[in-house]
Amino acid sequence: NAGVTQTPKFRVLKTGQSMTLLCAQDMNHEYMYWYRQDPGMGLRLIHYSVGEGTTAKGEVPDGYNVSRLKKQNFLLGLESAAPSQTSVYFCASRRDSSNQPQHFGDGTRLSIL
Amino acid sequence: EDQVTQSPEALRLQEGESSSLNCSYTVSGLRGLFWYRQDPGKGPEFLFTLYSAGEEKEKERLKATLTKKESFLHITAPKPEDSATYLCAVRPYGNNRLAFGKGNQVVVIP
Repeated sequence: NAGVTQTPKFRVLKTGQSMTLLCAQDMNHEYMYWYRQDPGMGLRLIHYSVGEGTTAKGEVPDGYNVSRLKKQNFLLGLESAAPSQTSVYFCASRRDSSNQPQHFGDGTRLSIL
Repeated sequence: EDQVTQSPEALRLQEGESSSLNCSYTVSGLRGLFWYRQDPGKGPEFLFTLYSAGEEKEKERLKATLTKKESFLHITAPKPEDSATYLCAVRPYGNNRLAFGKGNQVVVIP
């Protein structure tokens, strides 16, 4: 049972470089989310999607873009990476608008030098 | 603004020493309160959903309870494998997002 899969698991970037983080879920979930987790800050929502072709801003969207071209995939892009974006990024999915819980991947650890 | 505060931030327990974790919340209307467990290097793993004041849920040595202002996660006779960070999150009415607390880090010493 794959669930939510995030790639890559680790990455080191230089300031100004760009990259895309991939989240894939095999549960046919409508809703998908991107969070970042920093020490002492808890999980903070970056962007989310309520269905294929839709995206919306979360709590900390600046410096990130997202796309949901296929229902099973949610991409998070950093156009010009900054040291402040060093963090652990988690993707989550939820079945629909009901109160079902979000299911999380195991994260991407990103360092920006 | 929806707020979730968890206490204590960190807790060290002897094996078998029961304790409780607190999650206080402020939300315009609560659609659901969620508890997750997070192990180092892993993503959060769902434990419980609570919907209304007075509700209780149990799973092995864990029991979650809910009032109108807070939730408690009781750990009964903990074992070392219960060591983890426990996250609390609330979902307000009319909102597709969760607001998370900063977590309770629990270490159970053999």
